[in-house]
Amino acid sequence: DGGITQSPKYLFRKEGQNVTLSCEQNLNHDAMYWYRQDPGQGLRLIYYSQIVNDFQKGDIAEGYSVSREKKESFPLTVTSAQKNPTAFYLCASSPGTATNEKLFFGSGTQLSVL
Amino acid sequence: GENVEQHPSTLSVQEGDSAVIKCTYSDSASNYFPWYKQELGKGPQLIIDIRSNVGEKKDQRIAVTLNKTAKHFSLHITETQPEDSAVYFCAAPAGNEKLTFGTGTRLTIIP
Repeated sequence: DGGITQSPKYLFRKEGQNVTLSCEQNLNHDAMYWYRQDPGQGLRLIYYSQIVNDFQKGDIAEGYSVSREKKESFPLTVTSAQKNPTAFYLCASSPGTATNEKLFFGSGTQLSVL
Repeated sequence: GENVEQHPSTLSVQEGDSAVIKCTYSDSASNYFPWYKQELGKGPQLIIDIRSNVGEKKDQRIAVTLNKTAKHFSLHITETQPEDSAVYFCAAPAGNEKLTFGTGTRLTIIP
């Protein structure tokens, strides 16, 4: 998985609960990303970060939050405001600050609602 | 923003034959076009990419062609093997910024 570790592999969320997905990389990459993948659809960008302590909203940021306190880590919190959270979540990193090149993906976290 | 359409959504080919997947994009300013392969239960992996200053790029059995005038680019896999079975995604940047991904093509290689 190119040095990107996502955990857990499977996660279940109860109604009204916030859950946090972990993403760690040891590639010394500057940029990190979170994508959501739904069956039969392409990947949609939730949040991205080009540098520590800075991040930007992607196309579907509502109901999600992130932090980038360390270069290696970019956790994603799925809040209770996200009404349809069931999906496959992918974390990625890239070596430069360009937000479109040479993405390295983790193995993903499947989130389901109980 | 960028709109990327990918066809076909599913493709089955006999082992040894060639496979072609096509994508069209809408933003004429797009200048970078990657292809990703996703195997079951894994994250996508970059397999080849092309910039807008060239029309074709090859890497062993894989090639990508770009037609900027028509705003489409294609993935070509020759001499297909069972390990080529996967979902393939194209992508294009919206105005040099974030990538927009196609909806994917599930490729099945029939032994």
